[in-house]
Amino acid sequence: AQTVTQSQPEMSVQEAETVTLSCTYDTSESDYYLFWYKQPPSRQMILVIRQEAYKQQNATENRFSVNFQKAAKSFSLKISDSQLGDAAMYFCAYREETSGSRLTFGEGTQLTVNP
Amino acid sequence: NAGVMQNPRHLVRRRGQEARLRCSPMKGHSHVYWYRQLPEEGLKFMVYLQKENIIDESGMPKERFSAEFPKEGPSILRIQQVVRGDSAAYFCASSPRSKIAGELFFGEGSRLTVL
Repeated sequence: AQTVTQSQPEMSVQEAETVTLSCTYDTSESDYYLFWYKQPPSRQMILVIRQEAYKQQNATENRFSVNFQKAAKSFSLKISDSQLGDAAMYFCAYREETSGSRLTFGEGTQLTVNP
Repeated sequence: NAGVMQNPRHLVRRRGQEARLRCSPMKGHSHVYWYRQLPEEGLKFMVYLQKENIIDESGMPKERFSAEFPKEGPSILRIQQVVRGDSAAYFCASSPRSKIAGELFFGEGSRLTVL
């Protein structure tokens, strides 16, 4: 079974600084998707960024970027120029590229942004 | 285009009562997933449904829990004889099709409190 591990239960960053959240996963598949979701206090699950495993280029969405290391099964999220609104729980998630596959989530990293 | 709609947002039940949580997927989406989030934990997969079919219920507790997605109307997650341990946030997610695994689109969740 696939597993997703987030080894940092909590992280903090100063406003305008950069922070990196770690994620590793375990799979025997070669084709899959990886995601970072954000869950603010409202508890809405918001997609931050996605990465297709077949793409070597790291995904980027404005201030958010990933470092995808397929051989190491590592998928970290970098947030640049952190803003107060970035404070949330961040979940790393994995999904196989097969019919009807589920999302498997890590346990989450609680990010605090200090003014 | 309305997002995934869940209701009720908050539900309070006494031990032994039944809880029914409803989910209407995004327009054009025919695949529904239910997840449970216990306090301070990540999201755990419960069940995956297509119209009139349960495809994967490997995450569902064997007793008291059931799910359906009828031809007409929303998907329903039903919990019979609730216990305090059922208190959690229940999230529904949908996707447009199963063959190409992209992100899941989440509702805002239904928070169940069992007294």
